Amino acid sequence: AQRVTQPEKLLSVFKGAPVELKCNYSYSGSPELFWYVQYSRQRLQLLLRHISRESIKGFTADLNKGETSFHLKKPFAQEEDSAMYYCALLNFNKFYFGSGTKLNVKP
Amino acid sequence: NAGVTQTPKFQVLKTGQSMTLQCAQDMNHEYMSWYRQDPGMGLRLIHYSVGAGITDQGEVPNGYNVSRSTTEDFPLRLLSAAPSQTSVYFCASRNPRGLAGGEQYFGPGTRLTVT
Repeated sequence: AQRVTQPEKLLSVFKGAPVELKCNYSYSGSPELFWYVQYSRQRLQLLLRHISRESIKGFTADLNKGETSFHLKKPFAQEEDSAMYYCALLNFNKFYFGSGTKLNVKP
Repeated sequence: NAGVTQTPKFQVLKTGQSMTLQCAQDMNHEYMSWYRQDPGMGLRLIHYSVGAGITDQGEVPNGYNVSRSTTEDFPLRLLSAAPSQTSVYFCASRNPRGLAGGEQYFGPGTRLTVT
């Protein structure tokens, strides 16, 4: 069965510090993985997807099939990065979301 | 474009009552989905649709019905509300094709309380 695990409910860092939000998945095929973000009083929105290999707002995420991980990273956190982050896996039209990590960037 | 709209924003029901949560999108997206968001559990898929007239179950379909008579609308029906259905409900839509196929557009959510 597909499963997405985000082990940290809350991650607090200081502005300028590196950030890593962890995501592990269980899936038997080639996964399509995404990070979605929900800023305060805004809608849930796509941050990035692994097939694009893109950097959005300074965030990157690398798919590691050996470790079944898709961790989200940013070298220097900004206060505006404070939000709820969800890792998600797409399998045959169904999305499976992790439980989310709240990132709090302190000034 | 309004994107994905949901009504109502808030709703309080008594156990056993029925209601319909409305969802509409104006982006001509084929795929639409309903999720519930509960603390510590993230978003869980209730039902989804890959086009008008086609619906399927997600992870947690029990107690909910859906229909898709048009591309734009995807209502979610609670037939007999239970306290376990207290949650925030999100509707989402996407165009499944190409590199943008994984991008879901979410509505603002409906906060439902069942007493």
